[in-house]
Amino acid sequence: QVQLAQSGAEMKKPGASVKVSCKSSGYTFTDYYVHWVRQAPGQGLEWMGWINPKSGGTKYAQKFQGGVTLSRDTSINTAYLEIHSLKSDDTAVYFCARFWFTGANLDVWGQGTTVTVSS
Amino acid sequence: DIQMTQSPSSLSASVGDRVTITCRASQSISNYLNWYQQKPGKAPHILIYHASTLQSGVPSRFSGRGSGTDFTLTISSLQPEDLATYYCQQTYSILSFGGGTKVEIK
Repeated sequence: QVQLAQSGAEMKKPGASVKVSCKSSGYTFTDYYVHWVRQAPGQGLEWMGWINPKSGGTKYAQKFQGGVTLSRDTSINTAYLEIHSLKSDDTAVYFCARFWFTGANLDVWGQGTTVTVSS
Repeated sequence: DIQMTQSPSSLSASVGDRVTITCRASQSISNYLNWYQQKPGKAPHILIYHASTLQSGVPSRFSGRGSGTDFTLTISSLQPEDLATYYCQQTYSILSFGGGTKVEIK
């Protein structure tokens, strides 16, 4: 079945970087954009950006521009979110999700990856 | 950027009650409005897209209405399993989410 499987929880120190993976299965990876969404503890959903797996093209929310990098490896059907220069307020759950163009919605979500930033 | 404002931020209702959540966009988004349900500790999942189209498998007690800037999500008869936070989202211009409405059962 269609799935997005994310990498496991990470604990990092301030100033470090982290790379979260999102592996797709059950559909053609290059046919759907992958979006990333952040959820800080007890807070709402915050859109971070998207990547077009076919072209590698990206779009970032202004808030995250320069602080994160989206990439992909089409040989293993995997999208990545890299967060640079981590701060304590980057502590959050990060979700990847597939964008279904016909319905204009995020129809399949990964299970989420918890990133904790603490000294 | 398009701002999405949801109200109320939380509500408490009894099983069987009719519940309505409102979402307002800062500019017209046509019908590019989605509703998601997020249960505690889980990823969100899509309930309604294009403002009023029920996603396959979603119970018919959920419905959505609206176009332009004002939208509603209605649960016609609240069930215990509807305990969750509900988010609206616009996909008219890039993406953005409302702040969420936490639904509790009395």
